[in-house]
Amino acid sequence: EPEVTQTPSHQVTQMGQEVILRCVPISNHLYFYWYRQILGQKVEFLVSFYNNEISEKSEIFDDQFSVERPDGSNFTLKIRSTKLEDSAMYFCASSRAPDYEQYFGPGTRLTVT
Amino acid sequence: SQKIEQNSEALNIQEGKTATLTCNYTNYSPAYLQWYRQDPGRGPVFLLLIRENEKEKRKERLKVTFDTTLKQSLFHITASQPADSATYLCALVLKAAGNKLTFGGGTRVLVKP
Repeated sequence: EPEVTQTPSHQVTQMGQEVILRCVPISNHLYFYWYRQILGQKVEFLVSFYNNEISEKSEIFDDQFSVERPDGSNFTLKIRSTKLEDSAMYFCASSRAPDYEQYFGPGTRLTVT
Repeated sequence: SQKIEQNSEALNIQEGKTATLTCNYTNYSPAYLQWYRQDPGRGPVFLLLIRENEKEKRKERLKVTFDTTLKQSLFHITASQPADSATYLCALVLKAAGNKLTFGGGTRVLVKP
């Protein structure tokens, strides 16, 4: 069964450093998303992406964040200058159409020290 | 203010019984609603999607209902098994709000043998 994959599973970085989180969505899906979950809190929407453009973004997704689909299979989330409060699980998700179920990856645990 | 509420208390249930979880929302007009399972440290796993014009959906031992008048969805696990122990999340997609999922806080289910 096709799955969303994410790398790395765990990333430790120092405050102020740039990180890139990588995702490979399900191959025939066209809509891509990033969510995050701070430990013990709700899953929160960050950004949605379709046709090489951001469709929607939340207040969390400020100028320090960017997304890219550099090739036909990868989807990345970049945080330019990490802060302590960016420590969270980051989940990539994909769906085949806008009003269909979203499938999530296993997540990347980002720890900012 | 807008709220999605799931029972934050854990639901302890005996194996073989039916677990019933609630998802109540206020000041939202969801186009559809999704239920996910999440195990500790893992990504949400899609279970069921129900649209606003649907009253009930089933998948194997799972059943979800959606009452837009009561602003409530119920999620049932029949003939529960210890392997069903997890946190269950409801997530809304709002009309005219793109495809982003807005999550509730989840309900932890513990099925005892």
